Amino acid sequence: QVQLVQSGAEVKKPGSSVKVSCKASGGTFSGFGVSWVRQAPGQGLEWMGGIIPIFGTKTYGHSFRGRVTITTDESSNTAHMELSSLTSVDTAVYYCARVAVEMAAILTYYFDSWGQGTLVTVSS
Amino acid sequence: EVVLTQSPGTLSLSPGERATLSCRASQSVSSSCFTWYQHKPGQAPRLLIYNTSSRATDTPDRFSGSGSGTDFTLTISRLEPEDFAVYYCQQYSSSRWTFGQGTKVEIK
Repeated sequence: QVQLVQSGAEVKKPGSSVKVSCKASGGTFSGFGVSWVRQAPGQGLEWMGGIIPIFGTKTYGHSFRGRVTITTDESSNTAHMELSSLTSVDTAVYYCARVAVEMAAILTYYFDSWGQGTLVTVSS
Repeated sequence: EVVLTQSPGTLSLSPGERATLSCRASQSVSSSCFTWYQHKPGQAPRLLIYNTSSRATDTPDRFSGSGSGTDFTLTISRLEPEDFAVYYCQQYSSSRWTFGQGTKVEIK
């Protein structure tokens, strides 16, 4: 079973950027996609963006377009998410998730493994 | 963007009772890309049900999913103590995913 291990907590100033990493162990991102999801304090899960399996297409949520960049490094089995122009509303726990795909009569996508989460605090 | 609305917001039940969670989409979505996750405080979310009704490898058979079009349901036949958590529905369409706002299942 793959395990996704994320980088540690970050404290950032407003206007700066943060980069969170997500390393797969006991498995790989090859043949899968990756997505990033965040949860602000007291709120639900919010999808930020990701890489679609098979096609390798990068796609981003409307709320984050232009501010988030998602990359993968297959040589190190690591995915990265960088979020720029931070404000206090970006204070949240950020999760990476591996996107699995099944190809039967129709494509089926789901997030089969999740990282432990990374707390990003934006404060002056 | 497809908006998912979950109801109720909170479900207060006792162990052994049946839980029925609803998720309604703002437009018809593909059943093959409809998923349910369980999330407990301080933990990573966990895949429960994918493809509307397929249980993940370690999902107990007391969990079942159903639905199509705009209306989907997660049923827990008999609640166990470890089932008290927040449950999220999720859909994929037009190259994007969205989550519902979550249903909290709490001990009555």
